[in-house]
Amino acid sequence: GQQVMQIPQYQHVQEGEDFTTYCNSSTTLSNIQWYKQRPGGHPVFLIQLVKSGEVKKQKRLTFQFGEAKKNSSLHITATQTTDVGTYFCAGRGIRSTHDGKLTFGQGTILTVHP
Amino acid sequence: SAVISQKPSRDICQRGTSLTIQCQVDSQVTMMFWYRQQPGQSLTLIATANQGSEATYESGFVIDKFPISRPNLTFSTLTVSNMSPEDSSIYLCSVIGRGGRTQETQYFGPGTRLLVL
Repeated sequence: GQQVMQIPQYQHVQEGEDFTTYCNSSTTLSNIQWYKQRPGGHPVFLIQLVKSGEVKKQKRLTFQFGEAKKNSSLHITATQTTDVGTYFCAGRGIRSTHDGKLTFGQGTILTVHP
Repeated sequence: SAVISQKPSRDICQRGTSLTIQCQVDSQVTMMFWYRQQPGQSLTLIATANQGSEATYESGFVIDKFPISRPNLTFSTLTVSNMSPEDSSIYLCSVIGRGGRTQETQYFGPGTRLLVL
């Protein structure tokens, strides 16, 4: 079955440093979605990437979808303490476009030290 | 985006009992799912809730343990039956938006935090 690997599992940064998390799928994806989960909270939708090579930005966050639609990354520039949380990628396989199933990565836990 | 509410938000239950979790969406959605997130873990899909028919369960999850109902396009319930401490998790309702920019975008409810003693 489809697998989505996400690295790193943990990342500790000083406030102001950059942060990147990477996702790699075992199969070609139809689209990929990114979520942020604050401690004690639930996953909150950040963005969806659909097109090969797509790059989207949300303020200090930059999301990329690989040309082969098998990998993706989330980059945060100049982290702030409000960025703390777990970031999940979730891919939808080409064969899952009709059943809507997402396969989640393991998540990257980001800690930002002031 | 779809607004999703879940009840209860949290509960502490005794082993052997059952708990029914409700999920209500503020608009009609194409698909509804139930996920489980064990402490410190990622999200695992339990089943797809199908309107008016039996849910579609993922490997490792069965209807007798996790019966699901979806009587209409905006409401679903998940029951955790004959609970054991291993069922202590966050249970999350999730939906896919219907049409337009929300199509294929998947949103999560606030979750139900369950502790089984």
